[in-house]
Amino acid sequence: SQTIHQWPATLVQPVGSPLSLECTVEGTSNPNLYWYRQAAGRGLQLLFYSVGIGQISSEVPQNLSASRPQDRQFILSSKKLLLSDSGFYLCAWRETGGELRFFGSGTQLSVL
Amino acid sequence: AQSVTQPDIHITVSEGASLELRCNYSYGATPYLFWYVQSPGQGLQLLLKYFSGDTLVQGIKGFEAEFKRSQSSFNLRKPSVHWSDAAEYFCAVRDSGGSNYKLTFGKGTLLTVNP
Repeated sequence: SQTIHQWPATLVQPVGSPLSLECTVEGTSNPNLYWYRQAAGRGLQLLFYSVGIGQISSEVPQNLSASRPQDRQFILSSKKLLLSDSGFYLCAWRETGGELRFFGSGTQLSVL
Repeated sequence: AQSVTQPDIHITVSEGASLELRCNYSYGATPYLFWYVQSPGQGLQLLLKYFSGDTLVQGIKGFEAEFKRSQSSFNLRKPSVHWSDAAEYFCAVRDSGGSNYKLTFGKGTLLTVNP
């Protein structure tokens, strides 16, 4: 069966520090991968998506970047965190042609 | 651009009572519509979806939703709420065509269930 792992679950980082959040998927090949951010009272915002290794599309200009070094691995990074980067980050995947049904359990990031 | 509005930020119901969560969308063509549920500290789970055909769709956990094109609405309903239904609910829409898959979410409705 397909599973999605996301870590860490919570993270507290000072302003200006780097960030690396990792998401891995099991039980599928060539998934379409997504990073969403959920800020308080603002719903979910699509940050990045990837249809294959090394292929990254950015939805909004921001202080973050994403990479896909392996088929089932999706990484969200920042060189220097801002206060506004605080939020709940969710990784998600779907099969090509399918719907977005699988979400990770999320990472709560607090930038202080 | 497509958008989703969930007018109610927070709803409180008693266990056993009926529930309706509102969702309005703005989209030029026929949208694909979804409802997701998020339990505290967890990811999202797909409850149901509407693509075409019968405008009343059934989902998991006893939920259903009705698509009303004339009102641009896709409200979620449940006849009898259980305490375990307490969660945040998100309505979402995506383009029914094109190669760029992108879901647009509403801001969510937090459901509290009183015993």
